[in-house]
Amino acid sequence: GQNIDQPTEMTATEGAIVQINCTYQTSGFNGLFWYQQHAGEAPTFLSYNVLDGLEEKGRFSSFLSRSKGYSYLLLKELQMKDSASYLCAVRELGSGAGSYQLTFGKGTKLSVIP
Amino acid sequence: DAGVTQSPTHLIKTRGQQVTLRCSPISGHKSVSWYQQVLGQGPQFIFQYYEKEERGRGNFPDRFSARQFPNYSSELNVNALLLGDSALYLCASSLAGGNEKLFFGSGTQLSVL
Repeated sequence: GQNIDQPTEMTATEGAIVQINCTYQTSGFNGLFWYQQHAGEAPTFLSYNVLDGLEEKGRFSSFLSRSKGYSYLLLKELQMKDSASYLCAVRELGSGAGSYQLTFGKGTKLSVIP
Repeated sequence: DAGVTQSPTHLIKTRGQQVTLRCSPISGHKSVSWYQQVLGQGPQFIFQYYEKEERGRGNFPDRFSARQFPNYSSELNVNALLLGDSALYLCASSLAGGNEKLFFGSGTQLSVL
């Protein structure tokens, strides 16, 4: 089984930088994903880490430390449209042969204010 | 190109009824996964199918079942509905069900009264 923790809510100012942390405990770790989900919409892929270190993608960066069971998502130059829930998800081998499953955290609701 | 499509978008049922939800993956994707998302929570894994075979199952009762068709579309069935089954049901597709990212549909919002 897995335990994934991330803050429930965060507030940040437009133009600022915000870091959303995620800690996890798992066996059979096979990668960590960050998804963005606007209210009433599908989750959309933001980033993927399988090795330790920082992955940068425009205004979004994600960091992983496998030994610490820790990841963060960094959002720079915040825009109002970044107000959404951010889901941390850990992939591990599933019960069936060749299967993988994502286990999601409860999500962090980010509010960007002017 | 069309993304993952799900139908219906919204559904209202009463306790004890049965429901079937449908999903069409992105063209060329052979794997479909189903997730349940209760309000305020992250999605929870229900099933994964690849090439019409069940690859994985989450911690859900036998009232939940699914299948995948030769065209890779999928159905999720829930029998004997309970109030607690009210949730957003998300379908996600991927190329081969292995080490790739998932693409999610917009979901079916199921309300059980």
